Amino acid sequence: DQQVKQNSPSLSVQEGRISILNCDYTNSMFDYFLWYKKYPAEGPTFLISISSIKDKNEDGRFTVFLNKSAKHLSLHIVPSQPGDSAVYFCAASEGGSQGNLIFGKGTKLSVKP
Amino acid sequence: DAGVIQSPRHEVTEMGQEVTLRCKPISGHDYLFWYRQTMMRGLELLIYFNNNVPIDDSGMPEDRFSAKMPNASFSTLKIQPSEPRDSAVYFCASSLSLVYEQYFGPGTRLTVT
Repeated sequence: DQQVKQNSPSLSVQEGRISILNCDYTNSMFDYFLWYKKYPAEGPTFLISISSIKDKNEDGRFTVFLNKSAKHLSLHIVPSQPGDSAVYFCAASEGGSQGNLIFGKGTKLSVKP
Repeated sequence: DAGVIQSPRHEVTEMGQEVTLRCKPISGHDYLFWYRQTMMRGLELLIYFNNNVPIDDSGMPEDRFSAKMPNASFSTLKIQPSEPRDSAVYFCASSLSLVYEQYFGPGTRLTVT
């Protein structure tokens, strides 16, 4: 059973507009969430994270929102740029000794010029 | 730092052969992770080490898979004998702590014919 779900395999957005990538989780013990970005033929690279004590974390054009009651998080990219085209993975962790990262299957974002 | 280094980048082998994948983590990182990425299952954790000691190998698919970390700067993942269903991209990652950002290598694309 998937504990971290990214239900949209792909997303296409126009350059300059907002990209919103969504992620749902089922394990209420998760307390740390991360987004990774992956280009073809490269490994995933860390993008942004959020702890469960917060509901928002912002870093430049990237903002992650966490809704604990809905077990949902989202990544907003504003404004979107063609270089943002990549696969985005959501990951979650329980912390402590059970702190392995559990990854979603990814969403492929295409930003059109 | 050069980041996490993996070799080879591509490996093509015949069913039944032994395959060895190699990883050099980022210096100073205490944790090392091996992941497998497939279309069907996404990014799965196979095993992770803390200070060269295997901590959780519950993700290792079967006895044909083994991993070692003889020192802080080197780890191997071995498949013997290999099967076509082992074809995937294998990533190595390292981190300073268990739950926070992991730094991934470029991956090894394994094809078993």
